[in-house]
Amino acid sequence: DGGITQSPKYLFRKEGQNVTLSCEQNLNHDAMYWYRQDPGQGLRLIYYSQIVNDFQKGDIAEGYSVSREKKESFPLTVTSAQKNPTAFYLCASSIAGGGEQYFGPGTRLTVT
Amino acid sequence: GIQVEQSPPDLILQEGANSTLRCNFSDSVNNLQWFHQNPWGQLINLFYIPSGTKQNGRLSATTVATERYSLLYISSSQTTDSGVYFCAVETRLRAGNNRKLIWGLGTSLAVNP
Repeated sequence: DGGITQSPKYLFRKEGQNVTLSCEQNLNHDAMYWYRQDPGQGLRLIYYSQIVNDFQKGDIAEGYSVSREKKESFPLTVTSAQKNPTAFYLCASSIAGGGEQYFGPGTRLTVT
Repeated sequence: GIQVEQSPPDLILQEGANSTLRCNFSDSVNNLQWFHQNPWGQLINLFYIPSGTKQNGRLSATTVATERYSLLYISSSQTTDSGVYFCAVETRLRAGNNRKLIWGLGTSLAVNP
């Protein structure tokens, strides 16, 4: 089945540790996105990538980093510089240049 | 930047009732999507509807781009319709900018048996 997978579903980390969230898609989409969702809020864009080996900062990129070495994969690293990392993280993909976005099941990150 | 407002913020229905959710946006948009976020957090695509009307089973959506709003209709609601409904719009491409989705805060729907 075509789709987007994110792992793990739940992640717990101690403050000061970097953590990497996985996102894989087999939809043959060129564009991929990372969003953050806080309770009672809409989604905010962290980073996006329109093509392999290229990515752009979104609205809240500080404290995060990404890579796009393969079309299928767009991992997100939450660094220790992110002041409030506890949140629900969602990955999405679409065809190049925009269009309908499809989402993975998300990763709930808790940092204590 | 473009603003997206959804109403009502919360809605409680009895099973079988109909409802209309509204999304207003402050500028011209390139596309508009409606999503349902289930209680486990999964975002499910409902409609990709920059203009016009579409129907999918008990759900339908209408976007009037010239008046900058979209409506999501839910008929004969079921308990499985519970969750949060989001509207997200994509701004028109400007030179040097990439497109992105701008999200509303959602309508939280609870359907009681």
